[in-house]
Amino acid sequence: NAGVMQNPRHLVRRRGQEARLRCSPMKGHSHVYWYRQLPEEGLKFMVYLQKENIIDESGMPKERFSAEFPKEGPSILRIQQVVRGDSAAYFCASSPAESDGYTFGSGTRLTVV
Amino acid sequence: AQSVTQLGSHVSVSEGALVLLRCNYSSSVPPYLFWYVQYPNQGLQLLLKYTSAATLVKGINGFEAEFKKSETSFHLTKPSAHMSDAAEYFCAVSDLGSASKIIFGSGTRLSIRP
Repeated sequence: NAGVMQNPRHLVRRRGQEARLRCSPMKGHSHVYWYRQLPEEGLKFMVYLQKENIIDESGMPKERFSAEFPKEGPSILRIQQVVRGDSAAYFCASSPAESDGYTFGSGTRLTVV
Repeated sequence: AQSVTQLGSHVSVSEGALVLLRCNYSSSVPPYLFWYVQYPNQGLQLLLKYTSAATLVKGINGFEAEFKKSETSFHLTKPSAHMSDAAEYFCAVSDLGSASKIIFGSGTRLSIRP
């Protein structure tokens, strides 16, 4: 049973480009969460999704960021017109139900140059 | 909303010494409390989880944590540190409004001296 798969592991984008980060939850997990970790900081909640629904996006920046978890395929975190401040590690986690504790992926490290 | 405070951004202990990493949660009793470990360039791994079934929770790698309501604390301990314990440790709490949403502390980096 594969764990939470995130790709790519490393992503380099120039300012103004788009970044698309993918997350495939563990088999049987219907809850997906995205977190951002800035250098030397803890994880900040961004968004919580279930299949085809955004449950809580209170941590998402108002502009340029969006997330989806379609009926088929991985969850996607999309960042449009990236800026240097978007450089961070983005972690996806999944759980089979509420409060089971998350299983984390290895993260995508985004570098904006 | 729930929150957790980790006291000490960096803790250093000698190999074989007691490890104590401190965590306090906000005053409302949370549904769940967690400790996670992060090794360099990796994702987070669940160490242990408190679910109100028992106040002393045993986790992986010899770690345990005790829930103390009177102190609003959930400190992580290990009797004897090993070099492989060097990592970043995060205390976390489930949010009251959404039990699925987990709020993380700022982390404590544990260093082990030979």
